[in-house]
Amino acid sequence: DGGITQSPKYLFRKEGQNVTLSCEQNLNHDAMYWYRQDPGQGLRLIYYSQIVNDFQKGDIAEGYSVSREKKESFPLTVTSAQKNPTAFYLCASRKPERTSYGYTFGSGTRLTVV
Amino acid sequence: EDKVVQSPLSLVVHEGDTVTLNCSYEVTNFRSLLWYKQEKKAPTFLFMLTSSGIEKKSGRLSSILDKKELFSILNITATQTGDSAIYLCAWFGNEKLTFGTGTRLTIIP
Repeated sequence: DGGITQSPKYLFRKEGQNVTLSCEQNLNHDAMYWYRQDPGQGLRLIYYSQIVNDFQKGDIAEGYSVSREKKESFPLTVTSAQKNPTAFYLCASRKPERTSYGYTFGSGTRLTVV
Repeated sequence: EDKVVQSPLSLVVHEGDTVTLNCSYEVTNFRSLLWYKQEKKAPTFLFMLTSSGIEKKSGRLSSILDKKELFSILNITATQTGDSAIYLCAWFGNEKLTFGTGTRLTIIP
């Protein structure tokens, strides 16, 4: 079955360490997105990519980095510059045709920095 | 600056009640407004609204968009405990989804 796989589901890191969250999709979607969710809040856009080797900053890109070397993969690195990295991270992808409801979400990674 | 505001932030009702969740927006390049339900992890799609005044329905849930007044509502009738979740409103434009803060709905048996 096609879908988005995020790994790991839970991640613990010490303060000051960089950490990379994985997002892989086999849906042949061109566009991919990373969102952050804090307790009791909505989703905020970190980075997004419309096509391989290209990506744009979202609303809260500071302290994060991404790459898009393959269509299937859009990893997110949480750097030590991110002041409050503990959060729930969701990856999503979108159908290539111009339909806005064609979003598929992964099941998320919960990152805890201690 | 584009913004999407949901109200109330939190709502607690008894099973069987009817609830109305609100979403107002001020955005550029609006294409559509979407509603999602989030229980534990990934949001699940409920509705997409592009035209003003046309109600979308799915069982006990319904939603409508007013493009003149820039808001949308999500109605849930005869609520059940399984409706307890965060309900997210999002607008689609500029090739991305931008979400509101969400409304946390709790249904008491």
